[in-house]
Amino acid sequence: EVQLVESGGGLVQPGGSLRLSCAASGFTFSSYEMNWVRQAPGKGLEWVSYISSSGSTIYYADSVKGRFTISRDNAKNSLYLQMNSLRAEDTAVYYCAREGPSDSCDYWGQGTLVTVSS
Amino acid sequence: QSVLTQPPSVSAAPGQKVTISCSGSSSNIGNNYVSWYQQLPGTAPKLLIYENNKRPSGIPDRFSGSKSGTSATLGITGLQTGDEADYYCGTWDSSLSAEGVFGTGTKVTVL
Repeated sequence: EVQLVESGGGLVQPGGSLRLSCAASGFTFSSYEMNWVRQAPGKGLEWVSYISSSGSTIYYADSVKGRFTISRDNAKNSLYLQMNSLRAEDTAVYYCAREGPSDSCDYWGQGTLVTVSS
Repeated sequence: QSVLTQPPSVSAAPGQKVTISCSGSSSNIGNNYVSWYQQLPGTAPKLLIYENNKRPSGIPDRFSGSKSGTSATLGITGLQTGDEADYYCGTWDSSLSAEGVFGTGTKVTVL
């Protein structure tokens, strides 16, 4: 069974940093591209970042470019999102999602809440 | 702001049909596959449709997808109370830099 479990969310002050993790199991993690997607309270889905299976290709949404860094450790079956210079508008539930067929996100974690507030 | 536009809400009685539109442009829907996601209250999104019209294993054929030009449509027939959820379209956009994009979301209400 495919499982994605996010962790690392919490309350952080504006300008602070946080590192999210996503532990993958039930599939060959090193063979799959991965994404981070977020959802602000009461709002829609917003794509955040993408990383290829080897980590050699990375994309970011303009809203986080230069502040967030996506990475992965295939030996540990883990995906990460380093978030720096956090802003109030970064407050959201952050989901990791596996890239499925034809650029879809076929499996999602349960999400981890990040709250940026003083 | 999302570059894919969906109606905020649609509604119908149980057993009826609803359709949800997703409007984009040549840089996203026009040149990429569209996926559809269902998000039940308080849960993570779930893939309903990929590659415009294909259903993952376990998704009933009451759900269907189509694409024409720069627009896509999700159809739900035989509406059930359990279908009350938010629905999002998604695709890839390659206008300036490659990035994923989602629709604005549509709330389906079963009357």
